[in-house]
Amino acid sequence: SYVLTQPPSVSVAPGKTARLTCGGNNIETKSVHWYQQKAGQAPVVVIFYDSDRPSGIPERFSGSNSGNTATLTISRVEAGDEADYYCQVYNNTSDHVVFGGGTKLTVL
Amino acid sequence: EVQLVESGGGLVQPGGSLRLSCVASGFTFSGYWMSWVRQAPGKGLEWVANIEQDGREKYYVDSVKGRFTVSRDNAKNSLYLEMNNLRAEDTAVYYCARDGGLSPFDYWGQGTQVTFSS
Repeated sequence: SYVLTQPPSVSVAPGKTARLTCGGNNIETKSVHWYQQKAGQAPVVVIFYDSDRPSGIPERFSGSNSGNTATLTISRVEAGDEADYYCQVYNNTSDHVVFGGGTKLTVL
Repeated sequence: EVQLVESGGGLVQPGGSLRLSCVASGFTFSGYWMSWVRQAPGKGLEWVANIEQDGREKYYVDSVKGRFTVSRDNAKNSLYLEMNNLRAEDTAVYYCARDGGLSPFDYWGQGTQVTFSS
């Protein structure tokens, strides 16, 4: 089965840049989606198909995917960005959806 | 406005059963894959099952195969999850989400809680 690996936590000061990684075997061949989940709320997609941004998501959120690592970059981090972030792919070998374990972003 | 509203969660005993429902509105339900995603207390997201537009193709995470059945009624804009032989590790918030194929989960319900009672 396909495994996505995310660091459990990332901390960043306000105004700085946060880079959240998602590792997977040859992940660049898959489309990666990223979700933000704030405490007590349902997840919200913030980046889809590696680097597309839904309407309503700030331009500060961007994504990339290369080799074995996909990255969600949050520029000029704000206190309101504090949340859990999950990467997700569709494994068409097994027809299964796979989530990473999630990264808790803490704004210092 | 797209809305997904889950119901059917509750307290369950070992080996018990529950049927979760999700009513969709604001979009053409029959045109989309639909999925169930769960989240155990303090844990991450786990995809449970998905179903294609006409209900013929269904896929499950290995841990629920043979115990859970996903289905849909396009005439009622409804998605279901029949859960049998429930185990303690099935305790979670269960979300209904739109898509679950190659496209992202672009809409989610607010979730319904399934709690294991000993």
